[in-house]
Amino acid sequence: EADIYQTPRYLVIGTGKKITLECSQTMGHDKMYWYQQDPGMELHLIHYSYGVNSTEKGDLSSESTVSRIRTEHFPLTLESARPSHTSQYLCASSEGAWGRPQHFGDGTRLSIL
Amino acid sequence: AQSVTQLGSHVSVSEGALVLLRCNYSSSVPPYLFWYVQYPNQGLQLLLKYTTGATLVKGINGFEAEFKKSETSFHLTKPSAHMSDAAEYFCAVSLNSGGYQKVTFGTGTKLQVIP
Repeated sequence: EADIYQTPRYLVIGTGKKITLECSQTMGHDKMYWYQQDPGMELHLIHYSYGVNSTEKGDLSSESTVSRIRTEHFPLTLESARPSHTSQYLCASSEGAWGRPQHFGDGTRLSIL
Repeated sequence: AQSVTQLGSHVSVSEGALVLLRCNYSSSVPPYLFWYVQYPNQGLQLLLKYTTGATLVKGINGFEAEFKKSETSFHLTKPSAHMSDAAEYFCAVSLNSGGYQKVTFGTGTKLQVIP
């Protein structure tokens, strides 16, 4: 069963719209992550957070922004969506010491027309 | 810098046959190693992990992997494939990098199980 939830699961929307992808976890994990996944490619980290009020950019440059006001919530926002943002976005969390495995949500598949 | 190479983007096996998915990594120090499985329209689920200790690691669903430092490999195996094993499998390497746990994923291997 999923302890980390992403909504919406699928989103098709026009260029220029503001989008927020939601991610919530009920496990109390301090660390949370956003990955971008494209077919045949490795997962690319775009944002991560150590805890509340902590956010950092990942390896892959992204025009999206994130916030971490509550431990359980880590939303990702695109102010003005473009076709190049079309991808699958995966949220993950982990607890405690570094090296612990990450728990993933089921992803949001985003299509920008 | 760390990297992960998964040999074969697609692997097909017959039901009941051995499953072998290959993963090689490069790292300046011994890393933590993971295998994840992804079923269609779902996120990644942890199969098994190696941190320290025994180099043969057993995971869920009958999978296991062996850490071979001399070969910088962490291949995933299962003695007998089931139809339900059809999915995409990702190998991942984790290292501390400036106080942050950097996780690098391979490009994935899609496993097809033929009846």
